[in-house]
Amino acid sequence: DAGVTQSPTHLIKTRGQQVTLRCSPKSGHDTVSWYQQALGQGPQFIFQYYEEEERQRGNFPDRFSGHQFPNYSSELNVNALLLGDSALYLCASSLYEQYFGPGTRLTVT
Amino acid sequence: GENVEQHPSTLSVQEGDSAVIKCTYSDSASNYFPWYKQELGKGPQLIIDIRSNVGEKKDQRIAVTLNKTAKHFSLHITETQPEDSAVYFCAASKRATDGLTFGKGTHLIIQP
Repeated sequence: DAGVTQSPTHLIKTRGQQVTLRCSPKSGHDTVSWYQQALGQGPQFIFQYYEEEERQRGNFPDRFSGHQFPNYSSELNVNALLLGDSALYLCASSLYEQYFGPGTRLTVT
Repeated sequence: GENVEQHPSTLSVQEGDSAVIKCTYSDSASNYFPWYKQELGKGPQLIIDIRSNVGEKKDQRIAVTLNKTAKHFSLHITETQPEDSAVYFCAASKRATDGLTFGKGTHLIIQP
């Protein structure tokens, strides 16, 4: 049984560009949450999707948006990238407890 | 909103000794307290969790205690081994499926 998978592993973008990150949840999980982890810090909650709707949102601007598909996979979109958006982006899927994927390392130059 | 404080930021112990990491939280409505272990280049791995109706939970060498009155919870690792070296995060939320608020992490170093 595959765990949570994320793609791509790494990517480099330029300030002002847009990026899309992808997440496939663990089999049987219907809820996907996204977190941003800056270097040396704990993950910060961005938002959560359940039944294709945003159910909860953390303290992140509207530049961060998402989507959940009927197969429960999810995308995180970030518009107008800033240097400060450079971080590890983590996806967690859950039925009860949250299980994390390996993350996508985003570097904004 | 919830705020989680975690101490210490770095903990170095001799192999075979015990390690204790402590967290405090601010929102009395929080009921779910997981602990995650993150190794270099990997995502956080859930190692143990506790809910507010339980004071202590054990899983082999790992135990977690919760004091809801004082709003603090702790992770205890006994008989530490080299593979226990990692960054450990505590977190809190109202329900297990809610967005988690994390502490800043503890870098645990096991000295041979």
